[in-house]
Order: sequence, then structure tokens, then C-alpha cells
Amino acid sequence: RKEVEQDPGPFNVPEGATVAFNCTYSNSASQSFFWYRQDCRKEPKLLMSVYSSGNEDGRFTAQLNRASQYISLLIRDSKLSDSATYLCVVNADYKLSFGAGTTVTVRA
Amino acid sequence: NAGVTQTPKFQVLKTGQSMTLQCAQDMNHNSMYWYRQDPGMGLRLIYYSASEGTTDKGEVPNGYNVSRLNKREFSLRLESAAPSQTSVYFCASSTRGAEAFFGQGTRLTVV
Repeated sequence: RKEVEQDPGPFNVPEGATVAFNCTYSNSASQSFFWYRQDCRKEPKLLMSVYSSGNEDGRFTAQLNRASQYISLLIRDSKLSDSATYLCVVNADYKLSFGAGTTVTVRA
Repeated sequence: NAGVTQTPKFQVLKTGQSMTLQCAQDMNHNSMYWYRQDPGMGLRLIYYSASEGTTDKGEVPNGYNVSRLNKREFSLRLESAAPSQTSVYFCASSTRGAEAFFGQGTRLTVV
């Protein structure tokens, strides 16, 4: 079983739509969680950390469910510039594990 | 701010050649990582170093060796390159529990 599994998509949505997707992780001892964004196989960049109580950053909302071991990301009012691959990342004892990524394409 | 610096950015090798990918970070991070990314595969962990003086295998270590030279530097060596090692390689660093920062990647082709 992979340590982090994501819905690969692709999600193809119109501008202004809301899109949401999840990832699940296998290590119950995982300590911290993140969403990264990657464009065209450039280096991944941090989108946001994910906290137990859930957190928002502008149009982006992240949720963590430790009991069920899943993390979600919701993007509201999608922009063309949101088109990217979104990577779920889990940190357990110094080891960072990545999901394979969810591809989102926002169309005009 | 340099952050994480990887060299080289591009490399073409012939099968059987060896090379070392260099990575250095200036953020005083304890942990450093090497990943490879193949089309449609996501990032796969090759090796990581939780702290200076320690290294551990990741998901796909075969065919690679690493050296944590000091706190700043973590190198990845291919002793005898194979076409299956054609990939994009990313180095990253972090402190425990915090987000990772990535280098710009090395695009390696083995012919």
C-alpha cells in the first residue's frame, strides 16, 4: 500500500467553479501535512500547511481528518491560474511522503 | 535567498557512466531528501538524511548512493547509469515537522 494516495483526476472545471479532492495516508503516526502545487514538472512549491482544525488561505480550504487519515483541499472561485498538479504531502519522523498528485485544469 | 541549490540542471549520460548530483541548502535545515519524478508517477523518495551523519533508504534506492557531506550538502551518486534512471531529480530540505523546500531539479537523460 502506498503511504499517500490521491485521486489523480484530472479535474476539468470552468472558471468560477468549486473543486475539491482528497488524499489518504497510511501512517497513523504522521505528524504534519501539507498541500503543494507543481506546474509543468517544475519544483513543487508549498501551497498551504494543513492543521487539525482546518484552515483557509484565501480561496483555498484544507481539512484534516486524523481518525480517517485523510486530507482534503477545496478551491473556490477557480481561476485559470489554478491549473496545476496538487500534491498531498505527509511528514512522519523526518520522512516526507508525496502523493502522485491531482491534476486540475481550469477552463475559460 | 539561495534556498536549495541543485547542480547540474541538465545532464545527458551514456549507459554505464557515473555522475554525482549536488545539492546544497542555506536554511540550516536538518533533513534533506532526494526524489525522482517520472511522467505520471509523482515524486518517489530515493534517499533521505534526517540529520547530519545519517542516511536512510527511501522507496526506490537501487542504483543510487548518497553522501551527507555536512549539514548543508547532500549528494546523490549514480555509479553506473541505466536508461531506467532517466528522470527529473529533485533535492529538498526541511526541519522536522515543517514544510520542505525544493531545488529547481536536474533533468537527467541516460542514452
